[in-house]
Amino acid sequence: AQSVAQPEDPVNVAEGNPLTVKCTYSVSGNPYLFWYVQYPNRGLQFLLKYITGDNLVKGSYGFEAEFNKSQTSFHLKKPSALVSDSALYFCAVRDGTSGTYKYIFGTGTRLKVLA
Amino acid sequence: DAGITQSPRHKVTETGTPVTLRCHQTENHRYMYWYRQDPGHGLRLIHYSYGVKDTDKGEVSDGYSVSRSKTEDFLLTLESATSSQTSVYFCAISASSGGTYNEQFFGPGTRLTVL
Repeated sequence: AQSVAQPEDPVNVAEGNPLTVKCTYSVSGNPYLFWYVQYPNRGLQFLLKYITGDNLVKGSYGFEAEFNKSQTSFHLKKPSALVSDSALYFCAVRDGTSGTYKYIFGTGTRLKVLA
Repeated sequence: DAGITQSPRHKVTETGTPVTLRCHQTENHRYMYWYRQDPGHGLRLIHYSYGVKDTDKGEVSDGYSVSRSKTEDFLLTLESATSSQTSVYFCAISASSGGTYNEQFFGPGTRLTVL
């Protein structure tokens, strides 16, 4: 079965410092991995995805993520955090070889960037 | 923003009453999804559709039904609302072109309260 794990504890980081939001996954086939961001009272917005190829994926708003197959991880990173990055971040996975149309989401990690 | 609207945006209803939520898209995307978002659970898939009249269950489908008679509309019905169905409901869409690994686009959400 597919699953995604994200830390429940909030991530606090000072503005200007690098940030990392962790995600680990479990699928039986090839993973398709996604990161989304949710601002208060809004729907989720797509940030980036990994399908195949280069393990470092670049996305919107200066975010990037590193796919690590051996550690089954897909951590979200940004070199220099902004206060406006404060939001709820979701990792999602889809099994690329199962034929399913389903995406499985993690429980979300709240990021707070302190001025 | 992707052309996705949800109606109503807010609804308060009483236990035992039927409720229908509507998702409308103008993107002509093949896949449509209904999720619920609850604290500590992240996003959980209720039902999804992979074409007109083609639907399937997600992980929390009990007490919910869906219908899709047109590409653009995906309806979620709570047959007899219960307090445990108080939640924020999100509709999402994804394209079929370019493969089966496209990202999802989310609607603004519907906040449902069952008293």
